[in-house]
Amino acid sequence: AQTVTQSQPEMSVQEAETVTLSCTYDTSESDYYLFWYKQPPSRQMILVIRQEAYKQQNATENRFSVNFQKAAKSFSLKISDSQLGDAAMYFCANWGAGSYQLTFGKGTKLSVIP
Amino acid sequence: DSGVTQTPKHLITATGQRVTLRCSPRSGDLSVYWYQQSLDQGLQFLIQYYNGEERAKGNILERFSAQQFPDLHSELNLSSLELGDSALYFCASSSWTGERSYGYTFGSGTRLTVV
Repeated sequence: AQTVTQSQPEMSVQEAETVTLSCTYDTSESDYYLFWYKQPPSRQMILVIRQEAYKQQNATENRFSVNFQKAAKSFSLKISDSQLGDAAMYFCANWGAGSYQLTFGKGTKLSVIP
Repeated sequence: DSGVTQTPKHLITATGQRVTLRCSPRSGDLSVYWYQQSLDQGLQFLIQYYNGEERAKGNILERFSAQQFPDLHSELNLSSLELGDSALYFCASSSWTGERSYGYTFGSGTRLTVV
């Protein structure tokens, strides 16, 4: 079974500043992948970043990066130089190779203050 | 446009009724997934199909059923609808279902309102 926990229901950040969204997970799988998805007001689910659990190096996509702590089962998302367009719900998700299921956390609503 | 097409975008129906939601996956993707997003429940996995066969099942109610057709499009059937079934229903697709995952591509969802 897989669980994903996002302990911050809401967060806010000043434009151009940096913010970190937290995520912890639990899984019995040895082969798994972790994701952050963004859901803007349009409701579209957009893949932000992906991390293979067997890779120690943290994934980076432009202004988005993760801090993957495998032993602690922690997978946080850092957004640098926050922009107004970053305002959205952010979902952390875990995919296990044995279960074929992508399990989501309940999300963190990020507001960007001009 | 993500390449995953869901119809209809909005649906309003009465309790006790039956509806069908349709999904066309991204070209080349063999796997289709259905998720339900309610206000207080996040995204809940319902069911997965791979190349026409059911591959995984989540917390899908017995009143709900799905199938994937030979052309790979999928339909989610919801029957005996209750007020609590009001939600956003997402379809997603991927090209892999086995040893690795590159993430899913989501459609824009169907907003179901049961009155």
